[in-house]
Amino acid sequence: SQTIHQWPATLVQPVGSPLSLECTVEGTSNPNLYWYRQAAGRGLQLLFYSVGIGQISSEVPQNLSASRPQDRQFILSSKKLLLSDSGFYLCAWSPRAGPQHFGDGTRLSIL
Amino acid sequence: TQLLEQSPQFLSIQEGENLTVYCNSSSVFSSLQWYRQEPGEGPVLLVTVVTGGEVKKLKRLTFQFGDARKDSSLHITAAQPGDTGLYLCAGEVVTSYDKVIFGPGTSLSVIP
Repeated sequence: SQTIHQWPATLVQPVGSPLSLECTVEGTSNPNLYWYRQAAGRGLQLLFYSVGIGQISSEVPQNLSASRPQDRQFILSSKKLLLSDSGFYLCAWSPRAGPQHFGDGTRLSIL
Repeated sequence: TQLLEQSPQFLSIQEGENLTVYCNSSSVFSSLQWYRQEPGEGPVLLVTVVTGGEVKKLKRLTFQFGDARKDSSLHITAAQPGDTGLYLCAGEVVTSYDKVIFGPGTSLSVIP
């Protein structure tokens, strides 16, 4: 069966520091991969998606970037965090045709 | 712009009551998913509906996809405190990468 791992679960970072959140998927090949941000108790905002290694599409301009160095690895990064980057970040995967499945999320707090 | 609307935004009911939440759009979807999310966790997939008019049941939960595949409803019978959470619908739009759009969610609280 397929599993998705996302870490860390929580992260507290100072303004201006770098960020790296990692997401890996097991049990499937060539998945679509996604990064979302979620405001407290509300819907999901798609940040990035990837249909293959090195292929990244950005949905909204922002202070963040994403990379896919391996087929089942998706990384969310920032060189300098802003206060507005605080939030709950979710990674998800899907087959080429099928629903998305989510990781457990990372709670990011910027101080 | 493709949008999914959900209603109500918030719902607080007593244990044992029935409820229905709605998901509506002007767009046609090839499929639609319902997720339930608990605080601090990722959304968990409940069901996928793909055929207009389709009805699926998952224990006390009944999901219906509209005939025109633009809307859906989730009905919960005899709600329990364990049903508390954020219910999200997501519609799959047929594009080059099968784009999915999410609704803003319905926050359900079931009071014992």
